[in-house]
Amino acid sequence: GAGVSQSPSNKVTEKGKDVELRCDPISGHTALYWYRQRLGQGLEFLIYFQGNSAPDKSGLPSDRFSAERTGESVSTLTIQRTQQEDSAVYLCASNKGRGSLYNEQFFGPGTRLTVL
Amino acid sequence: RKEVEQDPGPFNVPEGATVAFNCTYSNSASQSFFWYRQDCRKEPKLLMSVYSSGNEDGRFTAQLNRASQYISLLIRDSKLSDSATYLCVVNGDNQGGKLIFGQGTELSVKP
Repeated sequence: GAGVSQSPSNKVTEKGKDVELRCDPISGHTALYWYRQRLGQGLEFLIYFQGNSAPDKSGLPSDRFSAERTGESVSTLTIQRTQQEDSAVYLCASNKGRGSLYNEQFFGPGTRLTVL
Repeated sequence: RKEVEQDPGPFNVPEGATVAFNCTYSNSASQSFFWYRQDCRKEPKLLMSVYSSGNEDGRFTAQLNRASQYISLLIRDSKLSDSATYLCVVNGDNQGGKLIFGQGTELSVKP
């Protein structure tokens, strides 16, 4: 079956522009996560959606970052007024959500964002 | 202090070597633990979960010490294909939700 997909795969933008990144989770997965990975660094948690619960936004680095999810399907991560330090790979993951402590998260291939 | 800390890398080892990675975590309430593997410019993939009693999967053995808040991964008889970055991962809530990732340890296995 299809895995997690993300688009675009690469995005180059100018400082100050807004960007929108998309994630399509695996069908039936109720939980969806966004992470950021800077070059040579580990993954940084950004935001987590679980069903109809309020999202956990505790990892969003500033109010320029926001994310939405429609039901249990596609999610978009929006970065407003991009800065050079936003350059990173943005990874989306999904899983079956709560109920098991050992739910594997399945990752998409990521969107590589470069802010010039 | 970072929530999850790993050995700095890179580890450069010959084929057939045994290599061990260590990891410590700060949140004593964490309940689930994992090792993920990330190949260069690829997304992370689950290598193995880490259970309280320790667990083994072929050449890979994972251990957990809750008292010391310490996790390890042992790779025996390393192969060229084991070259990757190994990420120590701890769940950040008590309901199987968000994961906290270490910065990763790079392994390079040479012929």
